[in-house]
Amino acid sequence: DVKVTQSSRYLVKRTGEKVFLECVQDMDHENMFWYRQDPGLGLRLIYFSYDVKMKEKGDIPEGYSVSREKKERFSLILESASTNQTSMYLCASSLYPGTSGTQYFGPGTRLTVT
Amino acid sequence: EDQVTQSPEALRLQEGESSSLNCSYTVSGLRGLFWYRQDPGKGPEFLFTLYSAGEEKEKERLKATLTKKESFLHITAPKPEDSATYLCAVQARSSNTGKLIFGQGTTLQVKP
Repeated sequence: DVKVTQSSRYLVKRTGEKVFLECVQDMDHENMFWYRQDPGLGLRLIYFSYDVKMKEKGDIPEGYSVSREKKERFSLILESASTNQTSMYLCASSLYPGTSGTQYFGPGTRLTVT
Repeated sequence: EDQVTQSPEALRLQEGESSSLNCSYTVSGLRGLFWYRQDPGKGPEFLFTLYSAGEEKEKERLKATLTKKESFLHITAPKPEDSATYLCAVQARSSNTGKLIFGQGTTLQVKP
C-alpha cells in the first residue's frame, strides 16, 4: 500500500513565524503535490514537484515555497505565516513521470495561524 | 475553463437505500477522472480512476461509471460506515502540472 505521511496533524503558529510542513512518501513516487483545502473553495494546488530539486507553481503559490532535496520528501514552507493561511494542508504523491497518474494523499495538517 | 460540479451537496439515506452521486465535468481533454472518499479531519482516500467513456469500476458497495460529460458513483445498500464526503476530480490533458481539479464534494450520511 502507498503510504504518505505528514509531519504534524495539528499545528498552531503565530503571525510572522516561518512554518515548515513536511511530507514523506514510501513508494518511490516521482511526483509530489501540496494542496490546501478550505470550506467552500475545495482543494487548490499550491506547488508540484516532478523530480528532485524540480518544482512548479500551482494555482495559489503566493506566500509559499517548497523544497525537494530527496525523492521521498517534499516540504512546504510558509516564509511569514499570516492568518489567511489558516487551512488544512494536504500532501499527495503519484507514481508516473510527467503529469498523469492517480494521486495518493496524506492525512493532512490542520494549521492555525493566530 | 476546466470545471467539476458535484450534486447533490448533501445526501441523507437510510441504511440499505441505494442511490447515486453525480459528477459533471467540463475539461479540454480528459486524462483521468478520480473518486475519493474523505472522512472528517482526514486526507482523501483513493477509490477509483476512470479513463474513458463506458468504463466502470466496482469496490464493495460502490460502483463508478463514466460518460463523456459526467460520472456517477452508485452506492448499493449503503451502511452507516459509508458516511463520508465523496470527492470527484479530473485531470486535464492540457495540464502541465498534473494537478487535479476537484469538485466541492457530496456529503453522504447513512442512518441506521
